[in-house]
Amino acid sequence: DAEITQSPRHKITETGRQVTLACHQTWNHNNMFWYRQDLGHGLRLIHYSYGVQDTNKGEVSDGYSVSRSNTEDLPLTLESAASSQTSVYFCASSDSGDTQYFGPGTRLTVL
Amino acid sequence: QKEVEQNSGPLSVPEGAIASLNCTYSDRGSQSFFWYRQYSGKSPELIMFIYSNGDKEDGRFTAQLNKASQYVSLLIRDSQPSDSATYLCAVVLTGGGNKLTFGTGTQLKVEL
Repeated sequence: DAEITQSPRHKITETGRQVTLACHQTWNHNNMFWYRQDLGHGLRLIHYSYGVQDTNKGEVSDGYSVSRSNTEDLPLTLESAASSQTSVYFCASSDSGDTQYFGPGTRLTVL
Repeated sequence: QKEVEQNSGPLSVPEGAIASLNCTYSDRGSQSFFWYRQYSGKSPELIMFIYSNGDKEDGRFTAQLNKASQYVSLLIRDSQPSDSATYLCAVVLTGGGNKLTFGTGTQLKVEL
């Protein structure tokens, strides 16, 4: 079955380290999105991509980067992790429309 | 003013009752509206989407859209304890492409 997966599911890291969260989808969707979810803020868009080699900043992109080298993957990199980036991260994808399907999430703790 | 607003709850309803969840949005030009359900510790799961004014029914769920008043509602009939979750409203804002803007969610508790 087609699906969207994220890895790792849980990650603990230290301040200043580079961290990469993986997102992989087998639906062949063009659109992929990264969100973070924090209490009181709901889901906030970090970065998104509408296709290979296309990346765009969302509302909370500072300190994060993404790259899209193929249709299936959109890894999210925290260049220098900060305690403020402790959160739950969700990846989502959609086809040509706007209905998004979410991955299981990654819980990141930055100490 | 937030772009998408929801009452955080919790909204408590007895089992078998109708649960009514509301969402307002600020962008009058918004065209696409979504309801997601999120269980604690899990990812958002799509329940319904609605594009046109009026009601859209799917099983026990009914989405209602009123563009003139800028609100979208989700009704859950015959509420079950398994419906206890946080319900997220999402909107595609004007010029937003395929991006969703989410409300902070309403926690629903269905009590026995």
